[in-house]
Amino acid sequence: DARVTQTPRHKVTEMGQEVTMRCQPILGHNTVFWYRQTMMQGLELLAYFRNRAPLDDSGMPKDRFSAEMPDATLATLKIQPSEPRDSAVYFCASQPGGEDTQYFGPGTRLTVL
Amino acid sequence: GNSVTQMEGPVTLSEEAFLTINCTYTATGYPSLFWYVQYPGEGLQLLLKATKADDKGSNKGFEATYRKETTSFHLEKGSVQVSDSAVYFCALSDPNFGNEKLTFGTGTRLTIIP
Repeated sequence: DARVTQTPRHKVTEMGQEVTMRCQPILGHNTVFWYRQTMMQGLELLAYFRNRAPLDDSGMPKDRFSAEMPDATLATLKIQPSEPRDSAVYFCASQPGGEDTQYFGPGTRLTVL
Repeated sequence: GNSVTQMEGPVTLSEEAFLTINCTYTATGYPSLFWYVQYPGEGLQLLLKATKADDKGSNKGFEATYRKETTSFHLEKGSVQVSDSAVYFCALSDPNFGNEKLTFGTGTRLTIIP
């Protein structure tokens, strides 16, 4: 049963530190999404890629967030420097080409103190 | 722009009760409509979907019908179980982005008590 995996599952860090979250999409899925979930804002799309090329990162604070896909099996989301308001659950999702269903990973719960 | 409005939660029901969670949408073009479910500590997973008007999506006893005339996609289940306790998200796809991008509602937390 193929699944999206995310690491780490939990991360506690101090304000100002760099945070890197990783996602392994389902093999063969060519579209990858990063979402952020908070109680106040709900589920927000941060960025997404198709065939490793960034298509839309308009939901991402550009000054501190960056998203990349170094290869087809790895997507990364980096925050530098982190701030307490970045505390949230970050989800990665992947989608096969030509389909409209997204498959979500278990999330990374980030706490910035 | 596109938007999804969901019934405010939380919703608490007794086991075997009838469930309705309302969802209405605003969209340009002809989006697909989805219900995703999030169990505690997990990511979202697709529950059901409908791709055109009057389609009915169904799964695990849940149903929703794509109503273009009322721009709605209400989720229903005839008899809920404790295991249905979760957060439910209504969503629509954006035809302007090849149906790749989803717009989610705020989620409705459902608790079923034995």
